[in-house]
Amino acid sequence: GESVGLHLPTLSVQEGDNSIINCAYSNSASDYFIWYKQESGKGPQFIIDIRSNMDKRQGQRVTVLLNKTVKHLSLQIAATQPGDSAVYFCAENMEGGSEKLVFGKGTKLTVNP
Amino acid sequence: DGGITQSPKYLFRKEGQNVTLSCEQNLNHDAMYWYRQDPGQGLRLIYYSHIVNDFQKGDIAEGYSVSREKKESFPLTVTSAQKNPTAFYLCASSSVGGQFRKLFFGSGTQLSVL
Repeated sequence: GESVGLHLPTLSVQEGDNSIINCAYSNSASDYFIWYKQESGKGPQFIIDIRSNMDKRQGQRVTVLLNKTVKHLSLQIAATQPGDSAVYFCAENMEGGSEKLVFGKGTKLTVNP
Repeated sequence: DGGITQSPKYLFRKEGQNVTLSCEQNLNHDAMYWYRQDPGQGLRLIYYSHIVNDFQKGDIAEGYSVSREKKESFPLTVTSAQKNPTAFYLCASSSVGGQFRKLFFGSGTQLSVL
């Protein structure tokens, strides 16, 4: 079964609101996590990553939070824009090699104007 | 621009036919990967290669074959043995050095069966 999953398969927000996309992982040994954005018919695009020795990492309009106690990862998007509409999925790395990345199924984010 | 180029964008396969998906990268990455994406599912690893002339099976290698004759190229052949080939295929690459290696993806190839 999936070791990386998402709490909500779809999320709809109003333009300008903040979005929070969640991800649960099951392997406490995972030490690296990545968020990807995938627009329809396109390949995944790297957004942000975080190592297990960190709790929070910020990028441009995005923040990733890692809670190792409950094995939970979240992606926060500030001031969500229509261009943010896409499927977002997380990936965890359990053993260090990229071939060991396990991907979640994704959350579809829809931004309403 | 540096990146990963996949072709064709759309591909149709007839029953019993082998088809080959192209993947080229100019990122100077040593490692390359092929993933399969089905609607509503996470990416599943088909094959990967860390170095020229060497490749390893992923989680769902049956019915697929690859080659790695050049660093820049990692073509995937979907053989007639793959009974359910309809999917979105993604090629990716990464550097090999270091423990935390993010994947860079191509734009994908949608394969359908006629």
